Amino acid sequence: GDSVTQTEGLVTLTEGLPVMLNCTYQTIYSNPFLFWYVQHLNESPRLLLKSFTDNKRTEHQGFHATLHKSSSSFHLQKSSAQLSDSALYYCAENAYKVIFGKGTHLHVLP
Amino acid sequence: NAGVIQTPRHKVTGKGQEATLWCEPISGHSAVFWYRQTIVQGLEFLTYFRNQAPIDDSGMPKERFSAQMPNQSHSTLKIQSTQPQDSAVYLCASSLDGDSNERLFFGHGTKLSVL
Repeated sequence: GDSVTQTEGLVTLTEGLPVMLNCTYQTIYSNPFLFWYVQHLNESPRLLLKSFTDNKRTEHQGFHATLHKSSSSFHLQKSSAQLSDSALYYCAENAYKVIFGKGTHLHVLP
Repeated sequence: NAGVIQTPRHKVTGKGQEATLWCEPISGHSAVFWYRQTIVQGLEFLTYFRNQAPIDDSGMPKERFSAQMPNQSHSTLKIQSTQPQDSAVYLCASSLDGDSNERLFFGHGTKLSVL
């Protein structure tokens, strides 16, 4: 079945440094949608950004990601981390149902 | 718009007892999803409904877990003979039509603790 693999565990970095959280996916379907969801402490996951188009950059709230079908990747990036970015990030793929990765905790230090 | 409503927020059961979790999707949404969230496994797909019909329950542990959607305004997840490994946060989500491009709207979850 479909699967999503993302940077596992905890990523710790200092405020102001760039963020990159990796995500790759496996699917037999040719046109999946890829998503990044963010979950802050004591909140539920909410959509951060999504994409369907190959090689097109999508941006929201300072984060960006580009779907590369050739490498089945959808890495999340931000040029400069903020303290408020500390959260749990999930990459997800939807070809026929939404499959999530195991999540990456991002901890931004002052 | 109250969002997706899940009740109870916390449930504590003894090993072997039954637990029923409730979800009210956003009004007008026809797709309802159930996920189990743990630190180790992240968000695991359990089952989903579209227009109240079960579409995919491939993530459900077959023997003790069941889900229903008797009407468009609520869905239930029932766990019989709960075990300590069932302890997790159970998240319900809804989307407008269940199409692949749609975002999911999540409830706050039910934290199940099996003692």
